[in-house]
Order: sequence, then structure tokens, then C-alpha cells
Amino acid sequence: GENVEQHPSTLSVQEGDSAVIKCTYSDSASNYFPWYKQELGKRPQLIIDIRSNVGEKKDQRIAVTLNKTAKHFSLHITETQPEDSAVYFCAASRDANDYKLSFGAGTTVTVRA
Amino acid sequence: DTEVTQTPKHLVMGMTNKKSLKCEQHMGHRAMYWYKQKAKKPPELMFVYSYEKLSINESVPSRFSPECPNSSLLNLHLHALQPEDSALYLCASSQGQGNTGELFFGEGSRLTVL
Repeated sequence: GENVEQHPSTLSVQEGDSAVIKCTYSDSASNYFPWYKQELGKRPQLIIDIRSNVGEKKDQRIAVTLNKTAKHFSLHITETQPEDSAVYFCAASRDANDYKLSFGAGTTVTVRA
Repeated sequence: DTEVTQTPKHLVMGMTNKKSLKCEQHMGHRAMYWYKQKAKKPPELMFVYSYEKLSINESVPSRFSPECPNSSLLNLHLHALQPEDSALYLCASSQGQGNTGELFFGEGSRLTVL
């Protein structure tokens, strides 16, 4: 099955700096890569996703890049703010009929004021 | 309404009890999921219902029994649980076929088994 590795496990950044989280996946058939943010005591929420026919996607301060050849994708958060403090999970899944999302282990991001 | 509602928010039960977790969505989503999440870990898929039929059972022990009475409701019946089953149980829904988009999670039911 799919194996998604996520690094780093923890990340502490100064407010206003950038944060980068990297994930690698094992199944070359994976074609959908979402990122979920989970604040303490809250539900996971989708913040951005990318499909394999796209190399990069941006939404305000958040961007995701995908390198299909190397089988890795990354989340970039610019101008970090205290409300960006949360656990971030990357995930991968295969074709349109696959309900299974393989999650990475998560990255705890702390933004220092 | 873009919410998935789960009840109860907290549940404490003994190993001989029978209880149920409930989940409801009114977004017209046709796929509903149960996930288990331990502290500081990613959600682990347990069950998927697609168009009210059980589509995936990730080899979950029979002490967990899912039920999908209709397209808006999903239950998880609990019986003879073990202390290691203590976790946050998340319900989620999505539009329909596979990875067509976002999983909408509920806030979860935090289960403690004594």
C-alpha cells in the first residue's frame, strides 16, 4: 500500500518567517495530495490540495508544490502568524474511486510571537 | 450547512457496556467515514460507506459495528471495548466517488474506556 513520510515532526518558526513541510510518497499511482490542518482540540480541515496534473498551487499565504518524478510534495506557509500554529498532515490517494487517504505522521508547527 | 455533527462529544464507558456514536451531515454527501485518532497521530481509517453500502472495512475488530441508516446518518456501535480503544473517533463525509475532493470532518467523539 501507499506509504507517506512527513518531515519534520516539529517545526518552530518566528512570526513572519516561512515554514516548509515536506512529504514523500511511495505509490507512483497516487494522484491526489491534500493537506489538512488540525488545531488543538479541533477537527482536521483541508487547507489546500493538488492533483498530479499540476506542479504548484497557491492560496494566499499557502502554497503546495509537487514533484511527481521524485514523488515528493511540500507545503509552504509564508508570513506565518500565531493562528498558523497547529498540526499539519499531508496525505495521498490513488484514483478517483479510491476512498483511502494515506496520511503522513504530522508536523506540529509552533509560531513564536 | 457545511457541518458534520457528531454526538456525544465525550463518552466514558466500561468494558462491558454497549454504546453508540452518531454522525449526521446534510450536505448531500454520499460517502461517509469513521476514523480513529490517537493523540498526536494522524487519523486512521476504520470504515467507509459509499451510497449507504459498506465499501471499506479496514480489518476493524468486531467490537466496532458501523451502521448507515440513510444517506445523512452514520452510527458506530461499540461493545466490549478495551482500554486501548480509547481515542478520538472522527466521522467524515465527502461528495461521492473516491478522492473527488475534500473530506469534511466532525469535531469528534472522545471515547474513554475504563
